[in-house]
Amino acid sequence: EAQVTQNPRYLITVTGKKLTVTCSQNMNHEYMSWYRQDPGLGLRQIYYSMNVEVTDKGDVPEGYKVSRKEKRNFPLILESPSPNQTSLYFCASRGLGYEQYFGPGTRLTVT
Amino acid sequence: DAKTTQPNSMESNEEEPVHLPCNHSTISGTDYIHWYRQLPSQGPEYVIHGLTSNVNNRMASLAIAEDRKSSTLILHRATLRDAAVYYCILREGGVETSGSRLTFGEGTQLTVNP
Repeated sequence: EAQVTQNPRYLITVTGKKLTVTCSQNMNHEYMSWYRQDPGLGLRQIYYSMNVEVTDKGDVPEGYKVSRKEKRNFPLILESPSPNQTSLYFCASRGLGYEQYFGPGTRLTVT
Repeated sequence: DAKTTQPNSMESNEEEPVHLPCNHSTISGTDYIHWYRQLPSQGPEYVIHGLTSNVNNRMASLAIAEDRKSSTLILHRATLRDAAVYYCILREGGVETSGSRLTFGEGTQLTVNP
């Protein structure tokens, strides 16, 4: 089954404790993105990757890092999380067509 | 990015058609019109997209005004599973742009009554 998976689905952490949210897709897609969703602000792109070792900033990249060492994986790294990064995070991938496939989301709470 | 305007909420009855409107008066000639939906506790899901002509797929139909300043997503027979937030999004033509960023607004919350 074609899918985008994210782990963990839920995470509660404390300010400053480094964390990684993993994202994996099994569709051999070139493009992958990370979004965050906040009430009243919609989904905003954090980072995207057009292929292995090719990444670039989206609209709200501050406080986040990404890497794309393999085509299928695109982890999101928060080196020093802060409470304003409490949000719902989605990973997405796209092949050569227009349709984006989204993961199930990761709900992060930073206290 | 060109902006879209959608009603905050709409209601429908089960097994009746639903017409979800979207205004995009500042659309440019190369912008594609995309619709996604987000079911409760899930990630967004692609529904349909078009450029100028009306489009049909297994999920829905997309009717695009002749001047392209508005469009309507049509669910032919709403089911309870169609209750979701529906997003109308404009996307620049050329798939390489910004890694295919989609700019989601607040969308329309569709409630389907049994």
